[in-house]
Amino acid sequence: DAGITQSPRHKVTETGTPVTLRCHQTENHRYMYWYRQDPGHGLRLIHYSYGVKDTDKGEVSDGYSVSRSKTEDFLLTLESATSSQTSVYFCAISESGGSGNQPQHFGDGTRLSIL
Amino acid sequence: AQSVAQPEDQVNVAEGNPLTVKCTYSVSGNPYLFWYVQYPNRGLQFLLKYITGDNLVKGSYGFEAEFNKSQTSFHLKKPSALVSDSALYFCAVRPDTGRRALTFGSGTRLQVQP
Repeated sequence: DAGITQSPRHKVTETGTPVTLRCHQTENHRYMYWYRQDPGHGLRLIHYSYGVKDTDKGEVSDGYSVSRSKTEDFLLTLESATSSQTSVYFCAISESGGSGNQPQHFGDGTRLSIL
Repeated sequence: AQSVAQPEDQVNVAEGNPLTVKCTYSVSGNPYLFWYVQYPNRGLQFLLKYITGDNLVKGSYGFEAEFNKSQTSFHLKKPSALVSDSALYFCAVRPDTGRRALTFGSGTRLQVQP
């Protein structure tokens, strides 16, 4: 398995509180992604990064921010959590070589419940 | 914008029978297509990909997929299903140029009965 660690694996918090999820990789891959998984929607891209300090928005980025100060770490922050952000969050990584046809490899997810 | 449709929420098949999980896509330009499998409480695992070349792609665990450009489809197949194949399957697409983020289908749950 690809060296991807997500923390925490489970979190319960209250509406309005800030939440930060961490993705750590040991593969030295350039690209990192954050997705959320909800029933009936598959996985939807929140944000992604194509290098240190280089990030871009995905299709469901509202209410989320990201930071990447080191190659190995990609942080996802919910500034003020809402119940609609209850979901399972997945981090993924991919290599930078070739024509970009390498598959993404996923962490085991963080289950976030916002009450 | 690209999109993926997995028209079946669930597919049921008996062990030993062939299985097909359907996927159709829409993308500008040439597609890169992927299949992933997800087991309970785990992340997605890569099964196979189509980039270019032979329309029949072979992947992990005996799975294969057939790319059909005219029908914009990329159906996942296996000649003989195992109970252990029961899982959630996702098809994903991205164009061959531009940003590398994938667009996923909504997933198909495969249930293989003994």
